[in-house]
Amino acid sequence: ETGVTQTPRHLVMGMTNKKSLKCEQHLGHNAMYWYKQSAKKPLELMFVYSLEERVENNSVPSRFSPECPNSSHLFLHLHTLQPEDSALYLCASSQEWGHTEAFFGQGTRLTVV
Amino acid sequence: EDQVTQSPEALRLQEGESSSLNCSYTVSGLRGLFWYRQDPGKGPEFLFTLYSAGEEKEKERLKATLTKKESFLHITAPKPEDSATYLCAEFTSGTYKYIFGTGTRLKVLA
Repeated sequence: ETGVTQTPRHLVMGMTNKKSLKCEQHLGHNAMYWYKQSAKKPLELMFVYSLEERVENNSVPSRFSPECPNSSHLFLHLHTLQPEDSALYLCASSQEWGHTEAFFGQGTRLTVV
Repeated sequence: EDQVTQSPEALRLQEGESSSLNCSYTVSGLRGLFWYRQDPGKGPEFLFTLYSAGEEKEKERLKATLTKKESFLHITAPKPEDSATYLCAEFTSGTYKYIFGTGTRLKVLA
């Protein structure tokens, strides 16, 4: 496999559930990102990991919890979400945290009911 | 506040009708200006990076240019398969993160 792979592609969860989104990159990159994309709004940066250390936490509610066990994998753990958290969640990676281009996965379409 | 503004919000073109998309960015501390294409239900696909005013890059029917205050994505003789949302993003030394615009939704009619 090449590029950035996200699973699952679609997820429906209740507000009391706990679920996790997974991202894997096969590009040998050092930086990984979580973004949220809602209709009519710009992509919102949620978290940045550089060399497996979190370097950016963009005032994201604690019901979203990231984990980066190694440079190729990134998780987003979800618990007690709200309906307004329904969105497309995108993972991306770049060679370095900085001005190099980012490569995105296909996203997970999350619906909170 | 650093921000990226794209116009128009939506654009409908006939096949073969050339046009340009605009992206206004934060002028100070720009470290990179990026263009992406996004198809419905998919993640953005990287197109171009521009670093300094006067720079131009081309790929098939697309050409991206950068001035001191804005960037343009020129689409020459578009085809229906060019229909997508085109996103612009900046990376500045001030915020040290990517800031995206809301995109231009392009529809090319056969």
